[in-house]
Amino acid sequence: DVKVTQSSRYLVKRTGEKVFLECVQDMDHENMFWYRQDPGLGLRLIYFSYDVKMKEKGDIPEGYSVSREKKERFSLILESASTNQTSMYLCASSNSGRLYNEQFFGPGTRLTVL
Amino acid sequence: GENVEQHPSTLSVQEGDSAVIKCTYSDSASNYFPWYKQELGKRPQLIIDIRSNVGEKKDQRIAVTLNKTAKHFSLHITETQPEDSAVYFCAASNGNNRLAFGKGNQVVVIP
Repeated sequence: DVKVTQSSRYLVKRTGEKVFLECVQDMDHENMFWYRQDPGLGLRLIYFSYDVKMKEKGDIPEGYSVSREKKERFSLILESASTNQTSMYLCASSNSGRLYNEQFFGPGTRLTVL
Repeated sequence: GENVEQHPSTLSVQEGDSAVIKCTYSDSASNYFPWYKQELGKRPQLIIDIRSNVGEKKDQRIAVTLNKTAKHFSLHITETQPEDSAVYFCAASNGNNRLAFGKGNQVVVIP
């Protein structure tokens, strides 16, 4: 049973703070993703990693960076949080061993930036 | 890049009736089309998917149809039940491990 966990369910930060969101998966998946979910906008890809230390920009990377030092862990970093980054953040992982791969999601982190 | 659109944004159905959600995609190279269900307060989960080499796939009360010529695919839920109330996301991929998601449909099943 795939398990994707995120470090916090709820997080409140102040404008300008550096914010770390952590995601861990236990199924040895190669691919990991960070999405942002906003009402009416669906799931938008921020960054994607297909291997340790590898990353690719998604559709909305501005204001974010990522780190993947270990295969099971993928971190999303907000260098200087802003109020427009208040959102639900979802992490996901998938296997790259097949051509079509189910993405398994974490429970989400609801971030509020004041 | 791929652009996926979902219609309608909100759908209300009487319990027992059928619900149909349609998605269109823009990239003719897309060949994998999954549907994810997200119940209130929970994470999205895959419920059914279809590859471009088939036109229809069924799993109990849900089915997905694909029209590659028109570049659209649809989710069909028959005999709807209250537990079908959720947000449904369609997605498309060209096999690059990335999914382009639609904006989601809120389905409300009225008892």
